Amino acid sequence: NAGVTQTPKFRVLKTGQSMTLLCAQDMNHEYMYWYRQDPGMGLRLIHYSVGEGTTAKGEVPDGYNVSRLKKQNFLLGLESAAPSQTSVYFCASRETGANTEAFFGQGTRLTVV
Amino acid sequence: DAKTTQPPSMDCAEGRAANLPCNHSTISGNEYVYWYRQIHSQGPQYIIHGLKNNETNEMASLIITEDRKSSTLILPHATLRDTAVYYCIVRAWDNTDKLIFGTGTRLQVFP
Repeated sequence: NAGVTQTPKFRVLKTGQSMTLLCAQDMNHEYMYWYRQDPGMGLRLIHYSVGEGTTAKGEVPDGYNVSRLKKQNFLLGLESAAPSQTSVYFCASRETGANTEAFFGQGTRLTVV
Repeated sequence: DAKTTQPPSMDCAEGRAANLPCNHSTISGNEYVYWYRQIHSQGPQYIIHGLKNNETNEMASLIITEDRKSSTLILPHATLRDTAVYYCIVRAWDNTDKLIFGTGTRLQVFP
């Protein structure tokens, strides 16, 4: 059981380049989340999804887009990367219901130069 | 979701109990208290959760006050591997929660 898998684990981008981060979960969870974590800070929610085909904005959505075409995958896109988007990105998923725990991936470390 | 307040950092001697407090004075009747921890920039890990009763599992105990305005996570015998950032979160049970994290408490366990 792989749980939540993030691809890639590391990436260096030049300013203005685009890329997509992939989050895949094999637990058939409805909810999926993308967070960013800057050095010494807590996690901030970028976007989330409550089911296949749905997306919603979190706390810091600007500069990012997301898609949930398949239930098991949640993609985070950066159309034109900026140095301010240098961060560690975490994906999470959970089952429906408040009495359910969230499972996190191991993170993607992104550097924009 | 209700906001939570946690001390930014705490120390604990190895082998002793670590008691991590969390204030959630605006918690609603339909909100659970959850605890997660993050070890050295890994993905956060679920620890325990509760609604109004005290809870215990193999990792920790959760004590929730009767008025539910605060809670304490207890690691009964802290080890060096428990050094991490601990996050207290409150979540509604109507599926509207966004799973918002605060800044957490950085627990340092020392030998």
